[in-house]
Amino acid sequence: AQSVTQLGSHVSVSEGALVLLRCNYSSSVPPYLFWYVQYPNQGLQLLLKYTTGATLVKGINGFEAEFKKSETSFHLTKPSAHMSDAAEYFCAVSEKNSGYSTLTFGKGTMLLVSP
Amino acid sequence: NAGVTQTPKFQVLKTGQSMTLQCAQDMNHNSMYWYRQDPGMGLRLIYYSASEGTTDKGEVPNGYNVSRLNKREFSLRLESAAPSQTSVYFCASREDRGKVGSPLHFGNGTRLTVT
Repeated sequence: AQSVTQLGSHVSVSEGALVLLRCNYSSSVPPYLFWYVQYPNQGLQLLLKYTTGATLVKGINGFEAEFKKSETSFHLTKPSAHMSDAAEYFCAVSEKNSGYSTLTFGKGTMLLVSP
Repeated sequence: NAGVTQTPKFQVLKTGQSMTLQCAQDMNHNSMYWYRQDPGMGLRLIYYSASEGTTDKGEVPNGYNVSRLNKREFSLRLESAAPSQTSVYFCASREDRGKVGSPLHFGNGTRLTVT
C-alpha cells in the first residue's frame, strides 16, 4: 500500500528565504509523485509532478522538486519565498501499473511567509 | 473552460437530514473522485469512479453513497447526516486512460456543517 509523510504541519520562512517542504513516500512499485498547492477557500492546484525521466522536476511559480529513490523522498523547494507563496501544500503518490490508480495525499504543510 | 464545478458551495444540515452534493466536469475525463478534507488529516478518498457506470469505495466510504450519472457528473449523497461528516468536500477528475501520471483536477469544494 502506498503512503505519504509530510514532515512539519507548519513551516515558517521570511520573504526571500529558501523554502523547503519535505515529503517521504512509501510505495511497493515505482511511484508517480505530485505536489499540489491550496490557497484559502479554493481547491487544490497542481504545482508539479514526477512520472519518469529527469529526477529534478520544475513546476509553476518557481518551485521544483527532486525525486530521490534511495531516500524515498520528493522534497519541494523554492530559492526565494514570496508573500504570495503562503498556502497549504500537499504531496501525493500514485502507483504505476495500476489501471485505475488513486492518489494518496499527505496531511499537508502550511507555509507561512513573513515580511 | 469551467473545469470541475461543485454545488452548493456551502451547506448547513441538521443531524439526520439528507442531501446530495453535485459535481460536473467538462474536460471529458474518465475518472472522477470524491475526497473530504479535515484539519490535520489531509485529503481522504471517499469514493471514486474509474469510468462511467463503475464506482468503488475509497478510504472512508461509510455514511456516503455515490452515483456516476453520466461521464460528466458524479454525485455524493449523505442519507442521514452526522456531525462527524462536517467537512470540506472536494470533487476531482482525471484523464488517466493511456496517459501516464495524469494529475487530478479539483473543484473549489463544498463546505458542509452538520449540527
